[in-house]
Amino acid sequence: QEQLKESGPGLVKPSGTLSLTCSITDIPISNYLWTWVRQTPGKGLQWLGYFQDNGGNHYNPSLANRISMSVDTSKSLFSLTLTSVTTADTALYFCARGYNYGIGGHFDIWGPGALVTVSS
Amino acid sequence: SYDLTQPPSVSVSPGQTANVTCSGENLGEKLASWYQQKPGQTPVLVMFQDKRRPSGIPDRFSGSNSGNTATLTITGTQATDEAVYFCQAWDGSTLSVFGGGTRLTVL
Repeated sequence: QEQLKESGPGLVKPSGTLSLTCSITDIPISNYLWTWVRQTPGKGLQWLGYFQDNGGNHYNPSLANRISMSVDTSKSLFSLTLTSVTTADTALYFCARGYNYGIGGHFDIWGPGALVTVSS
Repeated sequence: SYDLTQPPSVSVSPGQTANVTCSGENLGEKLASWYQQKPGQTPVLVMFQDKRRPSGIPDRFSGSNSGNTATLTITGTQATDEAVYFCQAWDGSTLSVFGGGTRLTVL
């Protein structure tokens, strides 16, 4: 069954590095945009960026100097790293499978989310 | 940056039609998607490419997009449709944005 599941530390100290992994089950890596989206408590969704095999990365400009994403094809793992975190980075982080067809795109499979709290 | 604007809330009586709007500059020239999120749950794709329903989404959900506004329409709204709905679009091929979300109340 196609599914995604996020994992990683639930607590990160301010100025530290947030690292999350998305386990990809029964989905080929190629041809999709592997995407991270976050949701702050009680707020909306923020697209963080994507990694595409043979297509590289594209990140939200508001995070561009702190964020990186990668895929380990052999292990079907999709990773997010966010450096120099602040309390504003406290959120529920989702990984998702995405499509982009030029003038549009959507995210059809989502993981359950991983809550990350930034606190000392 | 590209922004999508949604009304914070929409109310509808059971069995009536709910329209949830999403506004953005020349949004009609892009393809919009919609997600439903119930409390404590993951967002679920309910509409993509403006008006296409994923498998398993009831046909009471429909979509349109023209000018600066995309609309998600729920015909014969049910209590189970109560949720927050987010629109989403791409600004070019490298930047995706979500609207702020609309809380649909069925009362």
